[in-house]
Amino acid sequence: EAGVAQSPRYKIIEKRQSVAFWCNPISGHATLYWYQQILGQGPKLLIQFQNNGVVDDSQLPKDRFSAERLKGVDSTLKIQPAKLEDSAVYLCASSLAGGWNGYTFGSGTRLTVV
Amino acid sequence: AQTVTQSQPEMSVQEAETVTLSCTYDTSESDYYLFWYKQPPSRQMILVIRQEAYKQQNATENRFSVNFQKAAKSFSLKISDSQLGDAAMYFCAYRAGTYKYIFGTGTRLKVLA
Repeated sequence: EAGVAQSPRYKIIEKRQSVAFWCNPISGHATLYWYQQILGQGPKLLIQFQNNGVVDDSQLPKDRFSAERLKGVDSTLKIQPAKLEDSAVYLCASSLAGGWNGYTFGSGTRLTVV
Repeated sequence: AQTVTQSQPEMSVQEAETVTLSCTYDTSESDYYLFWYKQPPSRQMILVIRQEAYKQQNATENRFSVNFQKAAKSFSLKISDSQLGDAAMYFCAYRAGTYKYIFGTGTRLKVLA
């Protein structure tokens, strides 16, 4: 089966600019996750979708981050305006409902804010 | 609050030898799952092994096995016959109920030829 696709792979922007990341999960996976991984740390969940509804966005900085999952398939994560501390790898993952068998992750987008 | 601790920032092992990566966690739940993920330089997190807390038997997947000590809240990963391709960051993760995964800070494993 095809894996979780993410783009772009790398992105460099100046602070206060906006940026968007795209994720295409594995076909049939109802649950989609966006994680932020700052260098030297473990991934931290930003938002979790079940189909096209939000299950958990408690750690999403909603003043600058937004995400959507149209038609319960693809998802985009946007940052506007970006801050220096947003420099990180943004990982998308998907799973069957519940995720008890583990998640399938994409290769992530490395964002550098200068 | 649930926490996951990986106290070894970096470990080294000779090729073909065995290495154990440590993970401890804190929870008041009785039913949960534990995972080890591998993250190579390609950045893609790959599931290595999972353990259901209600199972007494330790999970094994080929050269990878865990030592799950529920009372001690310990979940270590043993890699036997280490290979160069095992070099990566290894993350321990916990999940219970509808809670999100909680990841540790990772252990960087170096495999020496």
